[in-house]
Amino acid sequence: QVQLVQSGAEVKKPGASVKVSCKASGYTFTGYYMHWVRQAPGQGLEWMGRINPNSGGTNYAQKFQGRVTMTRDTSISTAYMELSRLRSDDTAVYYCARDQGPYGGNDYWGQGTLVTVSS
Amino acid sequence: EIVLTQSPGTLSLSPGERATLSCRASQSVSSSYLAWYQQKPGQAPRLLIYGASSRATGIPDRFSGSGSGTDFTLTISRLEPEDFAVYYCQQYGSSPWTFGQGTKLEIK
Repeated sequence: QVQLVQSGAEVKKPGASVKVSCKASGYTFTGYYMHWVRQAPGQGLEWMGRINPNSGGTNYAQKFQGRVTMTRDTSISTAYMELSRLRSDDTAVYYCARDQGPYGGNDYWGQGTLVTVSS
Repeated sequence: EIVLTQSPGTLSLSPGERATLSCRASQSVSSSYLAWYQQKPGQAPRLLIYGASSRATGIPDRFSGSGSGTDFTLTISRLEPEDFAVYYCQQYGSSPWTFGQGTKLEIK
């Protein structure tokens, strides 16, 4: 069965960076794009970008350009999202979510990783 | 960027009733690349509908999606207790992918 398992909660100071991992299992990792979506406390969903695990090619939301880096390690079927120059308003739950392919939409989601930015 | 506006913000209904949720796009969503998600507190979103009207795997047939262009609707024909949650629409026809702000479906 398809599973996406994310790394644990993080507490960071403003200006620091955070790197969240998402380990995939139960399917061919390189066959499906992986997206990253975040959700601030009590707020809605915000798309950050996606990575093609096969080629490593990325597509970021303009809001995060220059601060976000999405990478992958195909040998261990893991995707990563690194966000730099953290601010307090980056406090959120960060999700990885598989793109189901030609039909679109995100059919499997990780459990979420809470990143808290506080001095 | 395509802005999605969901209405109403909150919908209060009773089990057994019919729910109609709306999602309006600021410009046409290409190829009906519109999805709906359900999210319960403390959980990740769950894909319900993709391609505006196709049910995702395992989704009960009381959930249906319709619409095209700029106007889309999620209908829940007969509400079950487990359906009370927050619902989001998402467009993936053009980058950046965007979500609506959500509709909270609460028990009346």
